[in-house]
Amino acid sequence: SQKIEQNSEALNIQEGKTATLTCNYTNYSPAYLQWYRQDPGRGPVFLLLIRENEKEKRKERLKVTFDTTLKQSLFHITASQPADSATYLCALMKLDSSYKLIFGSGTRLLVRP
Amino acid sequence: DTGVSQNPRHKITKRGQNVTFRCDPISEHNRLYWYRQTLGQGPEFLTYFQNEAQLEKSRLLSDRFSAERPKGSFSTLEIQRTEQGDSAMYLCASSLASRGTSGYNEQFFGPGTRLTVL
Repeated sequence: SQKIEQNSEALNIQEGKTATLTCNYTNYSPAYLQWYRQDPGRGPVFLLLIRENEKEKRKERLKVTFDTTLKQSLFHITASQPADSATYLCALMKLDSSYKLIFGSGTRLLVRP
Repeated sequence: DTGVSQNPRHKITKRGQNVTFRCDPISEHNRLYWYRQTLGQGPEFLTYFQNEAQLEKSRLLSDRFSAERPKGSFSTLEIQRTEQGDSAMYLCASSLASRGTSGYNEQFFGPGTRLTVL
């Protein structure tokens, strides 16, 4: 069955360091992979999208890589700040008519000042 | 505020009661999605609309659940005869599906309605 795995343990890092979050998937061939941020009690907020034919995408302090052979995406936040503390969700999407998102369970990031 | 709005933000009900949630998408968005999220999990797809047509429903959406999007604007999600297992955050998202090589644009999520069934 299709499975998306994100590290269930919280990632605890010092301010200024680079945070790296992992998303692995099995039995799935997504056209797009996306990363969302979710704060407690709020809906997810879109951060970055990367297509299956792209290896890397950057946006300000954020970088996403996508390896369709390893079936893995890495999400990096450089020069992390306490305000980056949140849960980060990986979401896959097939290029079918619905464009529905299949989410992982998320990884909580805590950036210590 | 021109984002996706959902009402109510919180709903507490007794088992067996019916509840209805409302979602107002971003005005020009033609697609509307409903997801459900339980504690410690990511959102799970329930159903989606293209304009007023409901085009796909997840098997998670039992016959106690019904969703509508009259006139292709706001949407309602009704749960009949609520059960404790229905307790979750119900999220609505909207997007603008366009023609072209991909046709996909990002989904914007609302703040969600947290349902507690006692």
